[in-house]
Amino acid sequence: LAKTTQPISMDSYEGQEVNITCSHNNIATNDYITWYQQFPSQGPRFIIQGYKTKVTNEVASLFIPADRKSSTLSLPRVSLSDTAVYYCLVGDNNNDMRFGAGTRLTVKP
Amino acid sequence: GAVVSQHPSWVICKSGTSVKIECRSLDFQATTMFWYRQFPKQSLMLMATSNEGSKATYEQGVEKDKFLINHASLTLSTLTVTSAHPEDSSFYICSAPKPGRWTGELFFGEGSRLTVL
Repeated sequence: LAKTTQPISMDSYEGQEVNITCSHNNIATNDYITWYQQFPSQGPRFIIQGYKTKVTNEVASLFIPADRKSSTLSLPRVSLSDTAVYYCLVGDNNNDMRFGAGTRLTVKP
Repeated sequence: GAVVSQHPSWVICKSGTSVKIECRSLDFQATTMFWYRQFPKQSLMLMATSNEGSKATYEQGVEKDKFLINHASLTLSTLTVTSAHPEDSSFYICSAPKPGRWTGELFFGEGSRLTVL
């Protein structure tokens, strides 16, 4: 069974903020939440990770509510080059590193 | 910084032959590596967890005799697709956890595209 659930696809326009939410109702106490970006014919690239509350880095923010049953990746002012598939992953201690279906984001001009 | 490198990037082989894909951790040691397979327009499917010095742990439905995994050193894991057939054509990707305290971050290789004729 997939540990995470995300929307299959999303469309946006350049310059907009994009929020992608991932549900992980069965997240365990020791699980971290990580998000990855993947372009066609490339390996995924790490974007951001968090455990609880809010995390921000140079490319994105990650919002995690207190119950940790979901998380939201926020991409500020997207550009065409942000068109990719985005995956959230929850896991603990190198185990069970299974990907969900991911969200295919299409940024339009 | 830490990087995971795969080789070859792409390979074409005839049906019935075997193909080896290498996954190397550069500048860090990886006791665990993960192998994934990805078909077009689909997500990554975990095939197996490779453990240095011990047998790999295969996911349900993945034939261990067909997809041989060897993790002989702390920087190298190999996946050998034995007696490859056209249905084995796919994009194979390896990853290794970021060294140090586990935070969920994985370093991924560039991927290897296998085409079996």
